[in-house]
Amino acid sequence: NAGVMQNPRHLVRRRGQEARLRCSPMKGHSHVYWYRQLPEEGLKFMVYLQKENIIDESGMPKERFSAEFPKEGPSILRIQQVVRGDSAAYFCASSPGTPWADTQYFGPGTRLTVL
Amino acid sequence: AQKVTQAQTEISVVEKEDVTLDCVYETRDTTYYLFWYKQPPSGELVFLIRRNSFDEQNEISGRYSWNFQKSTSSFNFTITASQVVDSAVYFCALSEAWIQGAQKLVFGQGTRLTINP
Repeated sequence: NAGVMQNPRHLVRRRGQEARLRCSPMKGHSHVYWYRQLPEEGLKFMVYLQKENIIDESGMPKERFSAEFPKEGPSILRIQQVVRGDSAAYFCASSPGTPWADTQYFGPGTRLTVL
Repeated sequence: AQKVTQAQTEISVVEKEDVTLDCVYETRDTTYYLFWYKQPPSGELVFLIRRNSFDEQNEISGRYSWNFQKSTSSFNFTITASQVVDSAVYFCALSEAWIQGAQKLVFGQGTRLTINP
């Protein structure tokens, strides 16, 4: 019974490159959330998606960041033209979407380092 | 706006001591959900508990217990007879009521707990 899977676990990029982070939700989960954890800080919500739909992206930076959750395949968080300030741990969570009783389960995270 | 405050940045105790991690929250919603997650040194986030706002019963799970008090907007976490393996960063989180499937979590800053042998 696999949990939430994220890859890669560690990603190193130079300034100006693109970063692609992948998340496969738990089996049976149709809701995916992305959070960012800056060093020594708590997690901050970025975006919430269901299959083929972005439901809430109120936490996403306006530029360079995008997310998708296609009908087939994992959810992708894409960061274009990375800068040093993008260095952080990016966590994906999934939930079954059970009204009034939902719980988000997190993946192991992707640690992004921008040189 | 929702807010979660974990005033204790770091706690260090000796093994077998009891320790309580404080969590105070702010919300205007009458229905909400509270969570605790554990982040061990390996970095993953482990779900510990979810509590609904309309259920104020305290909960015990082995050495872990949670005290939810709506009157003081607190959801404190106690570890009894702590062990070295309990060393981790612990996060308290709050989410709004379920609205069209959106239930984003607002996290506190976390409390780093160190259990010394």
